[in-house]
Amino acid sequence: GDSVTQMEGPVTLSEEAFLTINCTYTATGYPSLFWYVQYPGEGLQLLLKATKADDKGSNKGFEATYRKETTSFHLEKGSVQVSDSAVYFCALSDRNTGGFKTIFGAGTRLFVKA
Amino acid sequence: DAGVTQSPTHLIKTRGQHVTLRCSPISGHKSVSWYQQVLGQGPQFIFQYYEKEERGRGNFPDRFSARQFPNYSSELNVNALLLGDSALYLCASSLDRSNTEAFFGQGTRLTVV
Repeated sequence: GDSVTQMEGPVTLSEEAFLTINCTYTATGYPSLFWYVQYPGEGLQLLLKATKADDKGSNKGFEATYRKETTSFHLEKGSVQVSDSAVYFCALSDRNTGGFKTIFGAGTRLFVKA
Repeated sequence: DAGVTQSPTHLIKTRGQHVTLRCSPISGHKSVSWYQQVLGQGPQFIFQYYEKEERGRGNFPDRFSARQFPNYSSELNVNALLLGDSALYLCASSLDRSNTEAFFGQGTRLTVV
């Protein structure tokens, strides 16, 4: 079945450091890929998405490219801020008998130190 | 515009009891999906409803059921509660059934004692 694997956390970085959170997936179809973010005390928010191979999703300085050949969707940011401290979830949405199901990874907690 | 609203925000139940959780999607959204998020893990897909019909089901026992009403709001029901059902239950709505733009509510924290 479909699955998402992302790097374990926590990841601790200093402000202005480069961020990479790895994500790989397995899917039977042609899924859409997402990164969601959960800030402390808040709900899940869509950060960025890509709906087909080679698409690049970007938002708030974060970006990820849909790589079908490596089944990956790694999240990157060139210079992190303290306010980026949160839990990041990689996810895919794939067809599921008349509808769609969204499968999430386990999440990666990011701490950014000033 | 109001976002996705869920009620109640917190709930404590005893093993063996039944619980009903409610979700109101964003106005105009016809798809509602339910997820269970156990502490420290990612959300697990339970159901998707679109146009009042079940369109997807995850690997959850038959104790879990749901429905969607004509106004597109939704209820998640869990019977014969177990301690392991303690989790954050999330509802997400989207315009269509593809879930390419899903918006999540704040969740209902269920504790089973």
